[in-house]
Amino acid sequence: EPEVTQTPSHQVTQMGQEVILRCVPISNHLYFYWYRQILGQKVEFLVSFYNNEISEKSEIFDDQFSVERPDGSNFTLKIRSTKLEDSAMYFCASRIGGTVLNQPQHFGDGTRLSIL
Amino acid sequence: AQKITQTQPGMFVQEKEAVTLDCTYDTSDPSYGLFWYKQPSSGEMIFLIYQGSYDQQNATEGRYSLNFQKARKSANLVISASQLGDSAMYFCAMREVNNAGNMLTFGGGTRLMVKP
Repeated sequence: EPEVTQTPSHQVTQMGQEVILRCVPISNHLYFYWYRQILGQKVEFLVSFYNNEISEKSEIFDDQFSVERPDGSNFTLKIRSTKLEDSAMYFCASRIGGTVLNQPQHFGDGTRLSIL
Repeated sequence: AQKITQTQPGMFVQEKEAVTLDCTYDTSDPSYGLFWYKQPSSGEMIFLIYQGSYDQQNATEGRYSLNFQKARKSANLVISASQLGDSAMYFCAMREVNNAGNMLTFGGGTRLMVKP
């Protein structure tokens, strides 16, 4: 069964450094998402991406964050200057397309980001 | 106001018994979808079951079923014949048709522990 792939599984970075989290969504999916989960807390939406542009973003997704689909397969999340509070599990998700509500988002296994 | 509320932070269930995990939601959209995800200790998010706001019947998927009470705005997950492998965090999430990004809004989760 096709799946969403995220790399790396764990990233340790010094505060103030840039980090790029990578995702390969399921190949025929058209909608892409990033979520984060701070340890012990609920999953929070960051950004959604469709047709090569951001369709929605949350308050968390400030100008330190950016997303890109550099080619036909990868979908990346960049944090420009990391802060301690960016430490979290970051999930990429994808969905096949259309407005039908019953299409689930399929999640990757996550990247655990630790900021020192 | 919280859009998704899961009031049980943790629950125990005896192996082979059934358990109900509560979820209430708040929306003014006439059309929405409700999803349940399982998050084992390894961290990945696994889609379990979906219920649409216009679905006449409660959703079922193997040992998982939804007790959907639209007037009460609740969508409780029922796991029958619990297994040790069911021990995990369970998240209820909602997608509203009028949200441009089609993102999921998650509840705080319930940690289920299955006792042998």
